[in-house]
Parts: sequence; C-alpha cells; structure tokens
Amino acid sequence: GQQVMQIPQYQHVQEGEDFTTYCNSSTTLSNIQWYKQRPGGHPVFLIQLVKSGEVKKQKRLTFQFGEAKKNSSLHITATQTTDVGTYFCAGINAGGTSYGKLTFGQGTILTVHP
Amino acid sequence: DGGITQSPKYLFRKEGQNVTLSCEQNLNHDAMYWYRQDPGQGLRLIYYSQIVNDFQKGDIAEGYSVSREKKESFPLTVTSAQKNPTAFYLCASSIGVYGTGELFFGEGSRLTVL
Repeated sequence: GQQVMQIPQYQHVQEGEDFTTYCNSSTTLSNIQWYKQRPGGHPVFLIQLVKSGEVKKQKRLTFQFGEAKKNSSLHITATQTTDVGTYFCAGINAGGTSYGKLTFGQGTILTVHP
Repeated sequence: DGGITQSPKYLFRKEGQNVTLSCEQNLNHDAMYWYRQDPGQGLRLIYYSQIVNDFQKGDIAEGYSVSREKKESFPLTVTSAQKNPTAFYLCASSIGVYGTGELFFGEGSRLTVL
C-alpha cells in the first residue's frame, strides 16, 4: 500500500537557524498537503501543492513538490520560537488501488531554542 | 464562529467499556473523518463519510464504529473490541470529497483507558 515517509522525526535548532523537513512517497501523488500542529493543539492546514515542480512561499516558509510528484519539502528560513510544533505532510495517491487516498507522514517535531 | 467541535476533550474509561466521542461541524461540509494520533506516528484514518447515511472504513477501523445520521454530526464509538484505545482522536471535515481539499480539524479528544 501507499507509504509516506517523513524525515527527520525530530529537529532541534537554535532560533535563527533554518529548518527543512522532507516527505517521500512510495507512489506518485496527485497533490500533497502540509499541516502544522502546535504542542497540545490540532493540525492546521498550511498549503496544498498540485503541480509537478511547484514551489510556493508563505513568508519564511517555502514548499516544494518534486518533479516526479513523489516527494516534497518544507523549508523554514530563520526559525522563530513560534515555529515550534509538528509538521505533517499528507499525500493524495494518484492512481492504482489507493487512488484518492490521503496518507499522512509521521511528522517532524521541531524544537526551537531561543 | 464556524468550526468543528469535539467532546469531551478528555475521557477516561475502564477496560471493557464502550465510549462515544462527539463531533459536530457547522461548516456545511459534506465529508467528515475520524483520525487517531499516537506519539511518533502520523494521523491514521479510522472512518470517513462523504454523505449522510454513508461511511467507509479507513486503515484502522477494527474496534470502532460510526454513524452519520445528520450532515453536521459524525460520532465515533470506541468499542471494547479495540485492543489499544488510549490515543488522541481527531475529527475533521472537508468541503470536497475525500482527498480533494484541505482538512479542518477539531481540537481533539484524548482517551485514556485505565
């Protein structure tokens, strides 16, 4: 079945450092979503990428969708303490028996030290 | 304010007891979902419903049951058959059908089995 692997599982950074989390799917995706979950909170939608090679920016956050539509990344420039939380990718399968299925990665837990 | 309301926020249950988690939404969304979240794992889909009086099993439906008698409501029952029910349960909804749009999450219900 479809698998979505996310690395790293944990990332500790000093405030001001950059951060990147990577998402890799075992199958081709039709689109990919990113969510942020603050400690003790619930996931909140950040963005959806649809096109091959797509790059989108939200202030200090840059999202990329791979050319083969099997991987994605989220990069945060100059982290702040407000960036603390778990970042999840969620891929939607493009075909086969799992067509349309949304699968979440395990998440990357980001800690930012002031 | 529009949104998803889950209750209770915290719930304790003895082994062998069934428990029902409530999920209500006033977003007028057609699709609703139940996810389970365990530490170090991504969100895993329990059940989803795309229309009233219809629902489908997700990846980990065993030991759970749902109903969708009203568009606004999608309660989840954790039965005594669920072998490891202690977890954080998240209800979500989306405007479009499964796999097409962003998910809006409730604040979650944390179930602990004593």
